[in-house]
Amino acid sequence: QVQLVQSGAEVKKPGASVKVSCKASGYTFTSYGISWVRQAPGQGLEWMGWISAYNGNTNYAQKLQGRVTMTTDTSTSTAYMELRSLRSDDTAVYYCARDYIAAAGKAFDYWGQGTLVTVSS
Amino acid sequence: DIQMTQSPSSLSASVGDRVTITCQASQDISNYLNWYQQKPGKAPKLLIYDASNLETGVPSRFSGSGSGTDFTFTISSLQPEDIATYYCQQTLTFGGGTKVEIK
Repeated sequence: QVQLVQSGAEVKKPGASVKVSCKASGYTFTSYGISWVRQAPGQGLEWMGWISAYNGNTNYAQKLQGRVTMTTDTSTSTAYMELRSLRSDDTAVYYCARDYIAAAGKAFDYWGQGTLVTVSS
Repeated sequence: DIQMTQSPSSLSASVGDRVTITCQASQDISNYLNWYQQKPGKAPKLLIYDASNLETGVPSRFSGSGSGTDFTFTISSLQPEDIATYYCQQTLTFGGGTKVEIK
């Protein structure tokens, strides 16, 4: 069965970086793109960016350009999201989500369990 | 950027009631509109894709309609297990969410 398993919770100081992993199993990793979506405490969902697991092409949300980098390691079927220069308003649960290729538009059919990143001095 | 306006932000209904949530896009998005359910502490779950297609395994009491700029999500008969927050999503943008509670 398809699974996306994310790395554990992180606590970081302002200005630091965090790298969250998302290990995929149960499907051909390179056949699907992966998006990252975050959710601040008590708030809605925010799309952060997307990476093709096939060729590594990326598309980042404009507000995060320059601070976020998404990568994949096809040898381990793992996607990574690194966010730099962390601020308190980056405190959120970070999710990876797989593209739903049956949808004509962009939809996400499988999600990781989420990784809480807390930014605090 | 396309903005998604979802309403209401919350609602309270009785078990068995029909529940309707709307999502309006700031410009024509054809049928590229999806609906998710999120329960507390859990990841979102895809319910409806491409405006009206029911995802496999999702109960038929959930439905979606619309195209262009105006979309509707309906629960035909609210069940206790439907208590959650529902989000619409267009490509890269999510609506603000609708929290559904039992009256």
